[in-house]
Amino acid sequence: DIQMTQSPSSLSASVGDRLTITCRASQSISTYLNWYRQKPGKAPKLLIYASSSLQSGVPPRFSGSGSGTDFTLTISSLQPEDFATYYCQQSHSSPFTFGPGTTVDLK
Amino acid sequence: QLQLQESGPRLVKPSETLSLTCTVSGGSISSGSYFWGWIRQPPGKGLEWIASIYYSGSTYYNPSLKSRVTISVDRSKNQFSLRLNSVTAADTAVYYCARVRMVNATEDFDHWGQGTLVTVSS
Repeated sequence: DIQMTQSPSSLSASVGDRLTITCRASQSISTYLNWYRQKPGKAPKLLIYASSSLQSGVPPRFSGSGSGTDFTLTISSLQPEDFATYYCQQSHSSPFTFGPGTTVDLK
Repeated sequence: QLQLQESGPRLVKPSETLSLTCTVSGGSISSGSYFWGWIRQPPGKGLEWIASIYYSGSTYYNPSLKSRVTISVDRSKNQFSLRLNSVTAADTAVYYCARVRMVNATEDFDHWGQGTLVTVSS
């Protein structure tokens, strides 16, 4: 199985901050990397697919980059609804695996 | 607007079988561009993909669960289902159904149900 790691595991931020979350795969996954945001008690929501493609309806403050084993999710200006947990997920090969999550809370 | 809704027992006894159904509305489960899948999340923990199925019946499973899992589809009802047998407390989780979109050889979970908490306890 491909193992996914994320850093940091948690961070504190303020509205308007610029954030970067990192995801690393245990082997090369090309650009087969997706990002999700999960608010407490809710289902995850797809933000970015194929490493850098913005999902329809997702605000452009979200962006993704990377290929191979190293990927980043950037939020250019944190909004109140962005205080949540973020997961990366690889779709290079079965079984699909998720990172452990990065929780963003209010500073 | 596509919606997915999980249904099934919320409490299952150890060693018994967990059975869930996902009802898809606002779209056809027989659309050729999508698989349909199950993902679970133990309380306070991360996400684990369980299995996916195509409308034709083609399936693929997470090897860690494959020996205990069956996923099936009922096109006439626009539903797909999950069965997990010989459950233990470790199978207590929120179970999500989701649409698996295939775009340019990549796959993602682009629509999710709200999730249902299934507790394994006697």
